[in-house]
Amino acid sequence: SYELTQPPSVSVSPGQTASITCSGDKLGDKFACWYQQKPGQSPVVVIYQDTKRPSGIPERFSGSNSGNTATLTISGTQAMDEADYYCQAWDSSTAIFGGGTKLTVL
Amino acid sequence: QVQLQESGPGLVKTSQTLSLTCSVSGGSISSGGYYWSWIRQHPGKGLEWIGYIYDSGTTYYNPSLKTRVTISVDTSKNQFSLKLSSVTAADTAVYYCARSYYDSRGWGAFDIWGQGTTVTVSS
Repeated sequence: SYELTQPPSVSVSPGQTASITCSGDKLGDKFACWYQQKPGQSPVVVIYQDTKRPSGIPERFSGSNSGNTATLTISGTQAMDEADYYCQAWDSSTAIFGGGTKLTVL
Repeated sequence: QVQLQESGPGLVKTSQTLSLTCSVSGGSISSGGYYWSWIRQHPGKGLEWIGYIYDSGTTYYNPSLKTRVTISVDTSKNQFSLKLSSVTAADTAVYYCARSYYDSRGWGAFDIWGQGTTVTVSS
């Protein structure tokens, strides 16, 4: 079965750039999405179809996807960006989620 | 603005069937082009997709759960439902309903989520 792999945790200083990776076999041939989940809340999509940002999502969130790796980049990270982030892709009509990355802003 | 709301028992006995409903407001579940999914999250863990139903009634399930899962739709009530049979403590989780879509470019994201409902399985 298809798998997506994320680092369990990433730390970043306020104002710096955070990068969270998501790896999967030929992931670049699929569309990757990214979700932000804060404690006690439902996930919110921050990037879809590799690079698109939904309305209301700050411009500091961007995405890329090539080869076997999709990357979520948060430029000028703010304290409010501290959350769990999940990548997701579709494989043969099955939705696959990565294991999640806890982003700590310190 | 489409909104989703899960409902159902918060406690289910071991070996019984878990039943949840997702009510769709602000739009019709039959409007076309959307896939209505159930997703769960075990305590302190990541997200697991359970399955979806397309507005025509077509379903697709996570292979790891497909023998126990049934997703159905009631267009007259603008709802879709999840049944998970033979539950064990391992099915204890927060259950979310969510909407996704497929356009000319391919699959989109889960763009709308319910608030989630906690289900505990216990004897």
